[in-house]
Amino acid sequence: KAGVTQTPRYLIKTRGQQVTLSCSPISGHRSVSWYQQTPGQGLQFLFEYFSETQRNKGNFPGRFSGRQFSNSRSEMNVSTLELGDSALYLCASSLGPGEKLFFGSGTQLSVL
Amino acid sequence: GQQLNQSPQSMFIQEGEDVSMNCTSSSIFNTWLWYKQDPGEGPVLLIALYKAGELTSNGRLTAQFGITRKDSFLNISASIPSDVGIYFCAGQLGGSARQLTFGSGTQLTVLP
Repeated sequence: KAGVTQTPRYLIKTRGQQVTLSCSPISGHRSVSWYQQTPGQGLQFLFEYFSETQRNKGNFPGRFSGRQFSNSRSEMNVSTLELGDSALYLCASSLGPGEKLFFGSGTQLSVL
Repeated sequence: GQQLNQSPQSMFIQEGEDVSMNCTSSSIFNTWLWYKQDPGEGPVLLIALYKAGELTSNGRLTAQFGITRKDSFLNISASIPSDVGIYFCAGQLGGSARQLTFGSGTQLTVLP
């Protein structure tokens, strides 16, 4: 069974640009969550989606947005990139809300 | 929000030694999870604990859910080089990824 797939693995952007990250969950998993990981702040919750609906959102500015498609695949978008957005963005899928999370390898975003 | 204190921050041990790390919280959790993260990869779930007092093993790994529901520990016996990585605890209160709080991680180095 394939794991959680995140693309791209690495991204380099400049300040002010926007970026879209993609996540394909484990087959059969309907819930997708996104986390930002930085050395200083650790793992911080961004969003949680289930059945194409955002169930929860973390304490991030409106520049961070996301969506989930009918096949459970998810994307997150960051607009007007700032230097502080440089981080490893992790997607995790689960059978449903509150179930065990399985993480992808992440997208390493560098903002120059 | 809820805070998890994970200790130690880092450990250097000899191959073959046993390792112990723990997490404490000022709040109770209903689930404790332990993850391992290798460089450039996402966290991988090692052990999940669902009941106060529960002791669960996964090979050389043993974890316990504290009786007070405010702490958990992870033991690794007879460490080997591939145990190197960052170990995270996570406490979950309810049925949402938003309610999953991660510790700051324990960086484990195994010396040959």
